[in-house]
Amino acid sequence: EDQVTQSPEALRLQEGESSSLNCSYTVSGLRGLFWYRQDPGKGPEFLFTLYSAGEEKEKERLKATLTKKESFLHITAPKPEDSATYLCAVQAYRGGADGLTFGKGTHLIIQP
Amino acid sequence: GAVVSQHPSWVICKSGTSVKIECRSLDFQATTMFWYRQFPKQSLMLMATSNEGSKATYEQGVEKDKFLINHASLTLSTLTVTSAHPEDSSFYICSGVTGKETQYFGPGTRLLVL
Repeated sequence: EDQVTQSPEALRLQEGESSSLNCSYTVSGLRGLFWYRQDPGKGPEFLFTLYSAGEEKEKERLKATLTKKESFLHITAPKPEDSATYLCAVQAYRGGADGLTFGKGTHLIIQP
Repeated sequence: GAVVSQHPSWVICKSGTSVKIECRSLDFQATTMFWYRQFPKQSLMLMATSNEGSKATYEQGVEKDKFLINHASLTLSTLTVTSAHPEDSSFYICSGVTGKETQYFGPGTRLLVL
């Protein structure tokens, strides 16, 4: 059974204070690891897809990295508008298009 | 990115009635759509996989006779919650897949069953 564990559950930072969110996973065969951002009462917004260990992707203040057991979402000099819940999800190789297994997310608050 | 819409955004119904939720891919053709459910402070849980023109595949523990899914075209999938009960109250979210694996999610539908 695929499992995704995210830590910490919640994180409060000052504006400009960089940090990292962790996503540990176990999957029978990783097809892709996904990071999404979710605002309250809304659907997840796609951020990144990582496919193999060592891969890195960046977008504005966010950078995602991947190892064989975990992924990190690094947030550099965050702003209040970066406040949201960040979700990590994995997709396994099972043939065809498959659903995602999500973690519970990290609730990030950036204080001005 | 690809855009997915859902309708309605929220619905309140009486126990025992049925509710239909629509999921549309607005600027891409989704051969596969997924339905998820999210309870407060919980992660998204996959309910079913919907392929255009074929029967949906349900995850273990999801009642296929209660959650009816129809994927009649490459841009529309519907979820009907039949004989809804208070425990079905949740946030229902759909997603569609483009040619690659990335899933793009709709804004969600909040269902409250009284």
